[in-house]
Amino acid sequence: KQEVTQIPAALSVPEGENLVLNCSFTDSAIYNLQWFRQDPGKGLTSLLLIQSSQREQTSGRLNASLDKSSGRSTLYIAASQPGDSATYLCAVKGNSGNTPLVFGKGTRLSVIA
Amino acid sequence: NAGVTQTPKFRILKIGQSMTLQCTQDMNHNYMYWYRQDPGMGLKLIYYSVGAGITDKGEVPNGYNVSRSTTEDFPLRLELAAPSQTSVYFCASSYTGQGRGVYGYTFGSGTRLTVV
Repeated sequence: KQEVTQIPAALSVPEGENLVLNCSFTDSAIYNLQWFRQDPGKGLTSLLLIQSSQREQTSGRLNASLDKSSGRSTLYIAASQPGDSATYLCAVKGNSGNTPLVFGKGTRLSVIA
Repeated sequence: NAGVTQTPKFRILKIGQSMTLQCTQDMNHNYMYWYRQDPGMGLKLIYYSVGAGITDKGEVPNGYNVSRSTTEDFPLRLELAAPSQTSVYFCASSYTGQGRGVYGYTFGSGTRLTVV
């Protein structure tokens, strides 16, 4: 059974700092990995999707990397801003058939002005 | 584009009552999902559907039922509400093309349900 772990559970940084969020998964037979953002009381917004054949994806100040063999992904946020404050969730899709996404518990990020 | 629309946004139920959480998507996505999110516990899959007329259980299906009569709609039914079903419920959809490719998920804004 796939398990997804995110470390740390919570993180507080000063504005302008670069930061890294970590995600690990137990079964390396994944099809893709997705990073989401969730604001308090809101739904999930997809940030980046990495296919299993890819090493990284970039969108603006966000960069996600994937090391499938070691079961790890990182989300790098450059020059953090107070508007980046949210919970960031990592999710993986397995390789077999109709396997849905399996989510981590998320990292709650606070960027202090 | 409305994306994924969930109703209601909030609801309080008494123990033993029934209700249906509605979910509609207008992106012609073939896959639809229901997740529940408990504080500090991440999202857990309740049911999912790969197309109209086809549904399957997820990780935590007990106490829930679903149907998928059309591509657009995927309602979630609670027959006898229990306090353990107090949670935030999210509906999502995705498109799966040829093979197993999933081209990203779109989530609704959630339904916050309290059972008292």
